[in-house]
Amino acid sequence: QQQVKQSPQSLIVQKGGISIINCAYENTAFDYFPWYQQFPGKGPALLIAIRPDVSEKKEGRFTISFNKSAKQFSLHIMDSQPGDSATYFCAASRASGTYKYIFGTGTRLKVLA
Amino acid sequence: EAQVTQNPRYLITVTGKKLTVTCSQNMNHEYMSWYRQDPGLGLRQIYYSMNVEVTDKGDVPEGYKVSRKEKRNFPLILESPSPNQTSLYFCASSFPNRDGNNSPLHFGNGTRLTVT
Repeated sequence: QQQVKQSPQSLIVQKGGISIINCAYENTAFDYFPWYQQFPGKGPALLIAIRPDVSEKKEGRFTISFNKSAKQFSLHIMDSQPGDSATYFCAASRASGTYKYIFGTGTRLKVLA
Repeated sequence: EAQVTQNPRYLITVTGKKLTVTCSQNMNHEYMSWYRQDPGLGLRQIYYSMNVEVTDKGDVPEGYKVSRKEKRNFPLILESPSPNQTSLYFCASSFPNRDGNNSPLHFGNGTRLTVT
């Protein structure tokens, strides 16, 4: 009930390609879904987040797609760049009333120049 | 500069030797938390604190202690470290979520602990 399943574990994409990372959750009480980006030697940092009242949110080259009925959400990185090479974590939480975040297991993305 | 500061960045110790990892934030955040990051397991919450003198267990609290005597500091204490506590540890902080507005977690740069 509390898990967030993330795939793939690792991903290699050519420069200019599209990177897609998928997550699935079980607990329907979750209503806030952020993505965190982590570079080597650094802590994770918020990249983009979505609420289930919209099916898509776009910020620059980064887009979250959200499917409430399937309890799935995904991160799309358009025109992937070598600088996007990092580990990405999806997470799920409540919009209010709790500080609890459940994180996915992470995806290590490598974008080839 | 707004930041979460962890010390030390790297620590090698032996089984059973008590250690403390410090965490300090300068953003006046009420919420602070500790996570451990292990390959294939992602980020797992150890303990969290919703305010001064208020702490609670996360998902993997065994073998760890915390305290929150001041708002800015949230040290992680390993009274008797064991090799299975070898991991990358992150402290994080944020404002509370209010009225549906989520405050992002701000993470420190991590402490890599090796217990031999």
